[in-house]
Amino acid sequence: KQEVTQIPAALSVPEGENLVLNCSFTDSAIYNLQWFRQDPGKGLTSLLLIQSSQREQTSGRLNASLDKSSGRSTLYIAASQPGDSATYLCAVNAGGTSYGKLTFGQGTILTVHP
Amino acid sequence: ETGVTQTPRHLVMGMTNKKSLKCEQHLGHNAMYWYKQSAKKPLELMFVYSLEERVENNSVPSRFSPECPNSSHLFLHLHTLQPEDSALYLCASSQEQGAWETQYFGPGTRLLVL
Repeated sequence: KQEVTQIPAALSVPEGENLVLNCSFTDSAIYNLQWFRQDPGKGLTSLLLIQSSQREQTSGRLNASLDKSSGRSTLYIAASQPGDSATYLCAVNAGGTSYGKLTFGQGTILTVHP
Repeated sequence: ETGVTQTPRHLVMGMTNKKSLKCEQHLGHNAMYWYKQSAKKPLELMFVYSLEERVENNSVPSRFSPECPNSSHLFLHLHTLQPEDSALYLCASSQEQGAWETQYFGPGTRLLVL
């Protein structure tokens, strides 16, 4: 059974810092991996999707890497801003089905102080 | 209105009540999903519908009954729930049911069972 773990559970940093969020999964036979952002009272917003054949994806100040063989992914946020404060969720899609069956981690709660 | 909407946003119900959660997507997607997010637990997939046909029931108790009358609407009918069913229920949709598809989430319904 696939299990996804995110470290740290919570992170508090001053504005401007570069930071790294970690995600690990137990079964390396994944189809793709996604990073989501969840704001209080709102749904999830997809940030980056990395296919199993890819090593990294970039969007603005966000960079996500994937090391499938070791079962790890990192989300790098450059020059953090207070607006980045949210819960960040990692989810893997094991494939093997005809639909998107995502397994989520518990998330990292990020707080960026002005 | 755009994206994925859910109503109601908050719901309090007794264990003997019957209520329904509604999800509507305005994206022209063909696949829809129900997820449960409990405190201190990862998001869990409950049901998947593709072209109005249920393709996944992730061992969900029968007190949760989904309904998908068309590709734009998804309901979750609730009856004789337990306090441990209190959670955030999230709906999502994707263009097709493929594992490569990005899922778009609604804001969720916060459910409290007394």
